[in-house]
Amino acid sequence: GENVEQHPSTLSVQEGDSAVIKCTYSDSASNYFPWYKQELGKGPQLIIDIRSNVGEKKDQRIAVTLNKTAKHFSLHITETQPEDSAVYFCAASRAGGTSYGKLTFGQGTILTVHP
Amino acid sequence: AAGVIQSPRHLIKEKRETATLKCYPIPRHDTVYWYQQGPGQDPQFLISFYEKMQSDKGSIPDRFSAQQFSDYHSELNMSSLELGDSALYFCASSLDPMNTEAFFGQGTRLTVV
Repeated sequence: GENVEQHPSTLSVQEGDSAVIKCTYSDSASNYFPWYKQELGKGPQLIIDIRSNVGEKKDQRIAVTLNKTAKHFSLHITETQPEDSAVYFCAASRAGGTSYGKLTFGQGTILTVHP
Repeated sequence: AAGVIQSPRHLIKEKRETATLKCYPIPRHDTVYWYQQGPGQDPQFLISFYEKMQSDKGSIPDRFSAQQFSDYHSELNMSSLELGDSALYFCASSLDPMNTEAFFGQGTRLTVV
């Protein structure tokens, strides 16, 4: 089955700095890669996603890049703000076939943005 | 916008008891996924349904069962509860299995004592 590795496990930055979180996946058939933000006691919130036919996607201060050859994808947050502090999860899934989009998550990154 | 609704939000049960968790997907979403998240862990896929049929199965114990009803809501039934079942249980829904954008509910925190 799919295996997703996420690094770093914790990330501490100053407000205004950039933050980068990296993930690798094992199943070359995976074709959908979402990122979730989870605040304490809440459910994961989808913040951005990318599909395997795209190399980069940007939405305001967040961007995601995908390298299919190397099987890794990254989340970039620019101009970080204290409210960006949360746990971030990457995930991978394979749409179609028998998988029906179930997500395999990375281990999570605790991002702390200091004012 | 309407979100995924889970109930109850918190549940305390004793060992060997039974628990039922409910999930109401976003309107028009016909695919439901259940995940279990232990303390400090990432969510682990349990089971999914598409159009009221089980579509995939993950690391779900035999003591657990689930179904999706005609109105697309889903229930996760957990029997012979063990201390290790204490976790956050999330339900997610998507428009269809090919769409794959899954939106999560707020979760049910199950504590087994």
